[in-house]
Amino acid sequence: EAAVTQSPRNKVAVTGGKVTLSCNQTNNHNNMYWYRQDTGHGLRLIHYSYGAGSTEKGDIPDGYKASRPSQENFSLILELATPSQTSVYFCASGPRGSSAETLYFGSGTRLTVL
Amino acid sequence: GDSVTQTEGLVTVTEGLPVMLNCTYQTAYSDVAFFWYVQYLNEAPKLLLRSSTDNKRTEHQGFHATLHKSSSSFHLQKSSVQLSDSALYYCALSGTGGYKVVFGSGTRLLVSP
Repeated sequence: EAAVTQSPRNKVAVTGGKVTLSCNQTNNHNNMYWYRQDTGHGLRLIHYSYGAGSTEKGDIPDGYKASRPSQENFSLILELATPSQTSVYFCASGPRGSSAETLYFGSGTRLTVL
Repeated sequence: GDSVTQTEGLVTVTEGLPVMLNCTYQTAYSDVAFFWYVQYLNEAPKLLLRSSTDNKRTEHQGFHATLHKSSSSFHLQKSSVQLSDSALYYCALSGTGGYKVVFGSGTRLLVSP
């Protein structure tokens, strides 16, 4: 079973503060993703990566940066957090190749921006 | 761009009865795979089933879905739901290369006794 670990599980931040969400996967998957989950919107893609050193913008990248320093690690960075970024964030990994790519999700990070 | 539409936000069904969760899509890709993910309360989404073959029924854990490219649909069905099926269900698609998976807005299934 693929293993994707996110930290922290819960985070409270202040408006204007910097927040870093971390994700680690031990399955040697090339692709990694950051989604946010909001009621009524489902899972929306923020950033994704093909491999170490690469980051790509997803559907809602504004206000977020991403970093992929290694195959295993993919971080999501909020330089200036805002209350609208209060959400549950999921990291996922998947093997590159065919279109039948299964995503393996982490347990999520609940972020509250006050 | 690609899109997945799940029209029902909440579906309530009595235990033992059948259920169908709707999923339609739009895509420009010819090589596409389709997925249903399930998310139980306070857990991560996980794959329920997937398909890329037109008109072929795919089954897992008592659920089944058939991709119909003629109607751009991939509805999820179960003939007899259980209380443990209560969860959030996402329909998704992935186009050529699998670099980007597009999710629908999700349907919450609530099974009542």
